[in-house]
Amino acid sequence: EVQLLESGGGLVQPGGSLRLSCAASGFTFDTYAMAWVRQAPGEGLEWVAFISKHGSDRYYADSVKGRVAISRDSSKSTLYLQMNSLRAEDTALYYCAKSSSGNLPPRFVSWGPGTLVIVSS
Amino acid sequence: DIVMTQSPVSLPVNPGEPASISCRSSQSLLHTTGFNYLDWYLQKPGQSPQLLIYVGSYRASGVPDRFSGSGSGTDFTLKISRVEAEDVGVYYCMQALQTPFTFGPGTKVDIK
Repeated sequence: EVQLLESGGGLVQPGGSLRLSCAASGFTFDTYAMAWVRQAPGEGLEWVAFISKHGSDRYYADSVKGRVAISRDSSKSTLYLQMNSLRAEDTALYYCAKSSSGNLPPRFVSWGPGTLVIVSS
Repeated sequence: DIVMTQSPVSLPVNPGEPASISCRSSQSLLHTTGFNYLDWYLQKPGQSPQLLIYVGSYRASGVPDRFSGSGSGTDFTLKISRVEAEDVGVYYCMQALQTPFTFGPGTKVDIK
């Protein structure tokens, strides 16, 4: 059974940094592309970042480009999202999602329960 | 960026009755492969989203056959042939054709 478990969220001041992690199990991690999708409180879904199976291709939403970096460690079956220069509008529940193939197009077949990031002073 | 719109915003339905949700994109989602890169997700209350339909009309694994997707180009429809209580939640369409990948604003389906 595929399992994705996010961690690393919390309360951070504007301008601060966080690193989110997503521990994956139940599948061969380096066979599939992965992504981060977020949901602000009471709002809809927003795609944040995507990484191909070997990490060679990475894509970002304009709203986070230059401030976040997606990465993966196949030895640990873990996906990461390094978030810097955080803003109030980054406050959201961040989901880790597994895609159905190793690269584009994205097709999010499995999701974690999410980790909450709150940016506030 | 490709802008996604959905209608209606809210859809109250009687159990056993059909439901239909429309999704439109600002650009054609038809890929050179011949597939439309449009997926549908359902987020049930208090849960993470789940994939329902991919490339416009293919049901994801485990999705009941009362769900169907259709459409091409810029106009797409998700239909539920007979709504059940477990189908309540917010339905999102998402274009997977080009970055940034964009979701529609969602359609909330609930039981009358």
